[in-house]
Amino acid sequence: KQEVTQIPAALSVPEGENLVLNCSFTDSAIYNLQWFRQDPGKGLTSLLLIQSSQREQTSGRLNASLDKSSGRSTLYIAASQPGDSATYLCALTGFQKLVFGTGTRLLVSP
Amino acid sequence: EAGVAQSPRYKIIEKRQSVAFWCNPISGHATLYWYQQILGQGPKLLIQFQNNGVVDDSQLPKDRFSAERLKGVDSTLKIQPAKLEDSAVYLCASSGQNTGTGLRKLFFGSGTQLSVL
Repeated sequence: KQEVTQIPAALSVPEGENLVLNCSFTDSAIYNLQWFRQDPGKGLTSLLLIQSSQREQTSGRLNASLDKSSGRSTLYIAASQPGDSATYLCALTGFQKLVFGTGTRLLVSP
Repeated sequence: EAGVAQSPRYKIIEKRQSVAFWCNPISGHATLYWYQQILGQGPKLLIQFQNNGVVDDSQLPKDRFSAERLKGVDSTLKIQPAKLEDSAVYLCASSGQNTGTGLRKLFFGSGTQLSVL
């Protein structure tokens, strides 16, 4: 059974800092990995999707990497802004199933 | 493009009562998911539909939860009777055709926050 863990559970940083969110998984037989953002009272928004054959994906200030051999993915956020405050979730995607991590709650203070 | 619509946004009921949630996916999306998200946890898949057929309901507590997707479009999720531990946000998501590589982008609704007292 796939287990997905995210560390840290919560993170508070001042505006402008670069930061890394971690995602660990137990079963490396995955199709791809997605990073989502969840704002309070709202649904999830897909940020980045990395296919299992890829090593990383970039979108603006976000960069996600995937290392299947070690069962890890990281989400790098450059020059953080208060608007980045949200919960970030990673999810392992199979052909039929999506398994979510526990999430990291990020607070970026001005 | 309209997103995934869910209603109601909030629901407060007493234990042992019944409740129903509604979801309208993005037009043309064949796959529909219901997730349960308990406070502080990641979403957990309850049921997945492909058109109007069930693909995966292995984590659905079938003694109290039921879901249907008539005509392969809208879907309803029902809890009868509700328990205290059912308090959570219920998220609906939909996705279009995958590309054959498992690549599948999900679009989520805003969710229904259920409180069972």
